[in-house]
Formats: sequence, structure tokens, C-alpha cells
Amino acid sequence: DQQVKQNSPSLSVQEGRISILNCDYTNSMFDYFLWYKKYPAEGPTFLISISSIKDKNEDGRFTVFLNKSAKHLSLHIVPSQPGDSAVYFCAARSSSGYALNFGKGTSLLVTP
Amino acid sequence: DTAVSQTPKYLVTQMGNDKSIKCEQNLGHDTMYWYKQDSKKFLKIMFSYNNKELIINETVPNRFSPKSPDKAHLNLHINSLELGDSAVYFCASSLGTIQETQYFGPGTRLLVL
Repeated sequence: DQQVKQNSPSLSVQEGRISILNCDYTNSMFDYFLWYKKYPAEGPTFLISISSIKDKNEDGRFTVFLNKSAKHLSLHIVPSQPGDSAVYFCAARSSSGYALNFGKGTSLLVTP
Repeated sequence: DTAVSQTPKYLVTQMGNDKSIKCEQNLGHDTMYWYKQDSKKFLKIMFSYNNKELIINETVPNRFSPKSPDKAHLNLHINSLELGDSAVYFCASSLGTIQETQYFGPGTRLLVL
């Protein structure tokens, strides 16, 4: 049973525009959410996180929005750059669990 | 000065063999993890150790045995390798266990022939 879903396997955006990556979750016990970025043949790299007590967290060009009632979060990248092209994984966990539950990933391509 | 390192990076072996993958972190973290990314690209937790104590043991065949000689190392030994074990195995670590960011190694690509 997949508790974290990323329904868009891929996304293509022009350089300079906004990239919006979406993630839905089913477990209402999840209270900590993370986004990881992964290049081919490398491990996932932590990007940004958000606790359930917040609805927005911003770090430079990256902003994560959390809508608890909809069990939905999104990652906004603005402006998008070609170096942002990678697979983005959404992950979630609860305070009572140790492991991260990952989505299947969205492959972002930023074209010049 | 890699934070989380794994060896080997690639491993090609025959069915039935026994192999080990090593993981080391130099971040001073207390908790380490093994994840498996299968052919469908799902990343799933296998094991977790906190201060050398096993805290997560998901439904994994007992052919897989983790070993943590100290807080900085978590090795994964696999007996009697099967075709379905082919995957990418990622090691990760975190400072603690509650709302802590996990940092991943580069992965070990295992191919069982």
C-alpha cells in the first residue's frame, strides 16, 4: 500500500519558469515531509522539509507548501534552471515511525 | 570527505552467492538505514539501527542480515542471492530518529545473474 503518491512521473518546464511538483499522502499520522533530489547514479540529496505545524517553508528558489486537510504538498522551484533537471522524491514520516515513506518520484526536465 | 559512503558501487554476481555491502558515515549520526530501490523505482526501508541497536526490521527475507559494528558503520550481508535481489541499495543516516533529515549514500547497484 503506497502511502505517498506522486502522480506525475515527469514534468518539462522552460528555464526561468516555475516548476511545481505535487505529492499526496494517505496516512494522517505523517507529520514531517521532505523533498529529495536525485541525479542518475547518485543517492537522493535532501532539498527541503516541512513540519506539519507549518504550511509553508522557503529556502532560496525552493518553497514547499503543505495542505494538511487535503493531505497534499507541493514543491515550487522558481526560477527553474537546467541544473534542476533530476528526479524529485517526496517523502513523509510520522513521529512514531523511523523510516521515510517515499513517493515514486517525478522526473523534472528544465529546458533552455 | 564523503558524508555517507558505500562500497562497492557496483556488484555483479551469480545466483546463490553470498555478498556484503558496506556503509560508513562520518557525520556523527546515531541512526543508520538501509533502503532498497527496486525496478519500479520505489525506495523502501529495509532496516534501521540506532546506536547499534536494531529498531526497524521490515518484511525482508532472512537471507538479508544487517550488522552494525559501531555507530558509524552499517553493513548488509546477503546470503544465497536470488535474481529478485537485483536492485539499488541505499544506505542513509540521521542524527536521531524524530523528525530528522536522512542523508543518503551514492547507492550500490547489485545485479544478480
